[in-house]
Amino acid sequence: GDSVTQMEGPVTLSEEAFLTINCTYTATGYPSLFWYVQYPGEGLQLLLKATKADDKGSNKGFEATYRKETTSFHLEKGSVQVSDSAVYFCASQRGYQKVTFGTGTKLQVIP
Amino acid sequence: NAGVTQTPKFQVLKTGQSMTLQCAQDMNHEYMSWYRQDPGMGLRLIHYSVGAGITDQGEVPNGYNVSRSTTEDFPLRLLSAAPSQTSVYFCASGTSGGGSYEQYFGPGTRLTVT
Repeated sequence: GDSVTQMEGPVTLSEEAFLTINCTYTATGYPSLFWYVQYPGEGLQLLLKATKADDKGSNKGFEATYRKETTSFHLEKGSVQVSDSAVYFCASQRGYQKVTFGTGTKLQVIP
Repeated sequence: NAGVTQTPKFQVLKTGQSMTLQCAQDMNHEYMSWYRQDPGMGLRLIHYSVGAGITDQGEVPNGYNVSRSTTEDFPLRLLSAAPSQTSVYFCASGTSGGGSYEQYFGPGTRLTVT
């Protein structure tokens, strides 16, 4: 079946550091790929998405590129802020009901 | 525009009790889903609906029932609560567009079964 693997957390960075959170997937066909963010006590919010190979999703300074050859969708941000502290989930989706989430990566940004 | 709302926010049940988790959306989305979130396991799909009157099982449906009589509401019923159902439950609504399905999540219900 489909699966999504994310790097283990927590990831602790100083403010203004560069962020990478790795995500790789296995799926039949060509899934859409997503990054969601979950702030403490809240539900998941869509951060960015890509629907086909070589697409780059971007939002709020975060970026991720759909790499079919390496089956990856790594999340990056050039300069993190304290307000970016949250849990980040990578997900693949084939059809509305066939969505697979990673286990989440907690990011802590310290001033 | 409230988005996706869930009630209650917290609930404690005794083993064997039943209850209904409420979910409503005001975005006129055709798709709605229930997920549970457990530590170290990401989110897992319990049940979903592709429109009023149409529901289907997800990855972990046992012990849960759903119905969808209106576009707006999608309640989740726990028939006889068990400690294994202790979890955080998220409702989501979604729509298709741009070649994919986007989901919008509610704030969650934290359920403890003792």
